[in-house]
Amino acid sequence: AQSVTQLGSHVSVSEGALVLLRCNYSSSVPPYLFWYVQYPNQGLQLLLKYTSAATLVKGINGFEAEFKKSETSFHLTKPSAHMSDAAEYFCAVTMNSGYSTLTFGKGTMLLVSP
Amino acid sequence: DVKVTQSSRYLVKRTGEKVFLECVQDMDHENMFWYRQDPGLGLRLIYFSYDVKMKEKGDIPEGYSVSREKKERFSLILESASTNQTSMYLCASSSLGTDTQYFGPGTRLTVL
Repeated sequence: AQSVTQLGSHVSVSEGALVLLRCNYSSSVPPYLFWYVQYPNQGLQLLLKYTSAATLVKGINGFEAEFKKSETSFHLTKPSAHMSDAAEYFCAVTMNSGYSTLTFGKGTMLLVSP
Repeated sequence: DVKVTQSSRYLVKRTGEKVFLECVQDMDHENMFWYRQDPGLGLRLIYFSYDVKMKEKGDIPEGYSVSREKKERFSLILESASTNQTSMYLCASSSLGTDTQYFGPGTRLTVL
């Protein structure tokens, strides 16, 4: 069984501030982990994924995430928020089989103020 | 680029109507998925398919069925729509042997 917990349904930051979105996972096997972003009225877009190579993963738009097995975490960060980062972010986990389904967290809405 | 398209962005139906939501992908992906998205609940898997004419139940299949007659097309069917099926429906696809899913823009369904 696998699950994902995203801490905080809403996170507010000022433009230029550090973005930190938290994700903890539970998986009975070594997981693959994903972050997706959803802009208003759009589908989900892949930001980055961890597939057991480097523990620090860089994604699009300046985001990165670090896989920490000891903490069962995969938090998403960006050094400096832009107004255009305002969106909903989803963490997801899957078993690394290529045949399994994704289990999503409940999402975190990122609000960026000027 | 992978493209996943959904037949409607917005749909309004009456209680009891039969509703078809269509999804088409153009990347020859074997796997296709239907999710519903509700505020505070994230994405929940309804059905998925690994091959033509094949389907598997997800976490919340009750009240839904699916059809996959061609590899590129995956349809979600609400046999008798109810107000609690008002939601955003998202289709996704992925290639066999990979876990990265590509999403369509979604269909916002309102059942009155």
